[in-house]
Amino acid sequence: GAGVSQTPSNKVTEKGKYVELRCDPISGHTALYWYRQSLGQGPEFLIYFQGTGAADDSGLPNDRFFAVRPEGSVSTLKIQRTERGDSAVYLCASSLGLGLFDEQFFGPGTRLTVL
Amino acid sequence: SQQGEEDPQALSIQEGENATMNCSYKTSINNLQWYRQNSGRGLVHLILIRSNEREKHSGRLRVTLDTSKKSSSLLITASRAADTASYFCATVNTGNQFYFGTGTSLTVIP
Repeated sequence: GAGVSQTPSNKVTEKGKYVELRCDPISGHTALYWYRQSLGQGPEFLIYFQGTGAADDSGLPNDRFFAVRPEGSVSTLKIQRTERGDSAVYLCASSLGLGLFDEQFFGPGTRLTVL
Repeated sequence: SQQGEEDPQALSIQEGENATMNCSYKTSINNLQWYRQNSGRGLVHLILIRSNEREKHSGRLRVTLDTSKKSSSLLITASRAADTASYFCATVNTGNQFYFGTGTSLTVIP
């Protein structure tokens, strides 16, 4: 698998539940990004990892959102007490990390629906 | 909020024609990037132009950047049906913040 993969591709949950979204970046990419895209809009930046550490989490909308990347590869975006407004496509991207926000390779996204 | 705005929001052309999309942004940038997104798929990076560059080419793509007007354009020459997609500009501003624009939906009619 040469590209960025994300699982699940679709997630339907009920309001108030906890969800985890997974991202497998391209092997060797040190930078990993999470975005959220609502219908008809461009992606909105959430958080950026360089290695294991969150270099910039300024886009996380509130403390219900959290992301980890414990071994510097796979990342998990965690959303607690989901709300209907969290419904969106969550995109993950990775890059070589040579420059901030350099050429990013995107996964297909996880479509989250909160009922 | 999104820093960039694309114009037009939607564009429909015949195959073989050229397509031009414009992007305007608000604050000083380090670089500007263009991405393509096919329906229901992830984004694909097309081209990156740095703030000290004025024009860049990649295959049938031509990107210009005018930092004095805070605008960029993407030209796709000799369009094909496979170019049908949404196109987004994205900027890295001098505060190292990254924003996508609102996108242009391009339809190329065979």
